[in-house]
Amino acid sequence: TQLLEQSPQFLSIQEGENLTVYCNSSSVFSSLQWYRQEPGEGPVLLVTVVTGGEVKKLKRLTFQFGDARKDSSLHITAAQPGDTGLYLCAGLTTGANNLFFGTGTRLTVIP
Amino acid sequence: NAGVTQTPKFRILKIGQSMTLQCAQDMNHNYMYWYRQDPGMGLKLIYYSVGAGITDKGEVPNGYNVSRSTTEDFPLRLELAAPSQTSVYFCATESGTGYETQYFGPGTRLLVL
Repeated sequence: TQLLEQSPQFLSIQEGENLTVYCNSSSVFSSLQWYRQEPGEGPVLLVTVVTGGEVKKLKRLTFQFGDARKDSSLHITAAQPGDTGLYLCAGLTTGANNLFFGTGTRLTVIP
Repeated sequence: NAGVTQTPKFRILKIGQSMTLQCAQDMNHNYMYWYRQDPGMGLKLIYYSVGAGITDKGEVPNGYNVSRSTTEDFPLRLELAAPSQTSVYFCATESGTGYETQYFGPGTRLLVL
């Protein structure tokens, strides 16, 4: 079983602050995805990264895939209350038909 | 289009009872998945299907069964419910053509007492 560890598990910050969430594994992934889940709903895809070292930006969110394709980070600039939610990373290994999800980071942005 | 629908939204079961969680999609996706999510945790894969008539086990299949007779439907069966199966269950679909998005349903919250 590929284990994806996310840190921190919980994060509570003030509106306007910056933050970084990490997703680490000992396994190599062919692609890695980040999802956000709001209470009472299913996860929604934010981004997919497929190349080692790849950086993708989505407005105030910056996603990076590690050079060795074993880890990833999500950086949020000037967090807003609307960023509140559970952030999940999920990795796909070569030849696999299914994603392995990380343990999740629950973010709360206080107005 | 409704996307991915799940029924029921919430259910309470007694230990030993059985039930079927329904999942339906109208996106003509080949791949379908069942996950469970325990409080504050990520998702664990129970079963998945790459097409009608084809199913395979995920990480945590014990106590569950699935079938995939059509592209649209992927029901999850719980036999002899146990308290350890208290969780939120999510169904998801994917086109299966590559590094694609998984689309999730709204979830079914199950409480086994």
